[in-house]
Amino acid sequence: HVQLQESGPGLVKPSQTLSLTCTVSGDFTGTTSYYWSWIRQPAGKGLEWIGHIYNSGSANYNPSLKSRVSMSVDTSKKQFSLKMRSVTAADTAVYYCVRGSNWGSVDYWGQGTLVTVAA
Amino acid sequence: QSALTQPASVSGSPGQSIAISCTGTSSDVGAYKYVSWYQQHPGKAPKLLIYEVSNRPSGVSTRFSGSRSGNTASLTISGLQAEDEADYHCSSYATSGSYVFGTGTKVTVL
Repeated sequence: HVQLQESGPGLVKPSQTLSLTCTVSGDFTGTTSYYWSWIRQPAGKGLEWIGHIYNSGSANYNPSLKSRVSMSVDTSKKQFSLKMRSVTAADTAVYYCVRGSNWGSVDYWGQGTLVTVAA
Repeated sequence: QSALTQPASVSGSPGQSIAISCTGTSSDVGAYKYVSWYQQHPGKAPKLLIYEVSNRPSGVSTRFSGSRSGNTASLTISGLQAEDEADYHCSSYATSGSYVFGTGTKVTVL
């Protein structure tokens, strides 16, 4: 069983960098069949895949966000992180950290953390 | 990449069957078997219902089933129950090596 918990500031100023960390309880090293991902959801809207990263450090990002996003993983701490630069109000959303699989599904979700971009 | 298209809302009476469509392109839904469906109750994280178009994870009710025809995937809920009232999201792997979600569908049980 895997549990994920997001942490980070709930308020970020426009043009600054959003930084979130996800701490994993349970199986982290796992196999190459799984990856760690960030997904966000603006209030009242659908889900948006931000990107994912494998324990190897290999990452893929949403093409529409790629220029502003980076992810990293620290297997010793069982954590992975998201950085999103130059944020605007449009980046205000609930951010979920999740575990995904190579067959395209997400089986474990964090509870989500609301990040508001405002001055 | 554009979001997959889902109807904004679908409704049905208890006991009925309803279907939710998820329309993509030949670069995502039509190209790969990696289509998933999620159920999300208000204020909660989504829950996986279907993966690889039509497979149910252990513990998911057999009332939920998935299928695909061309660039459109569908989720069918049979024997609709009050607890099925929620938002439903589809997702698909895409040619760019990324994933794309649908626009989301609100299911109302009348």
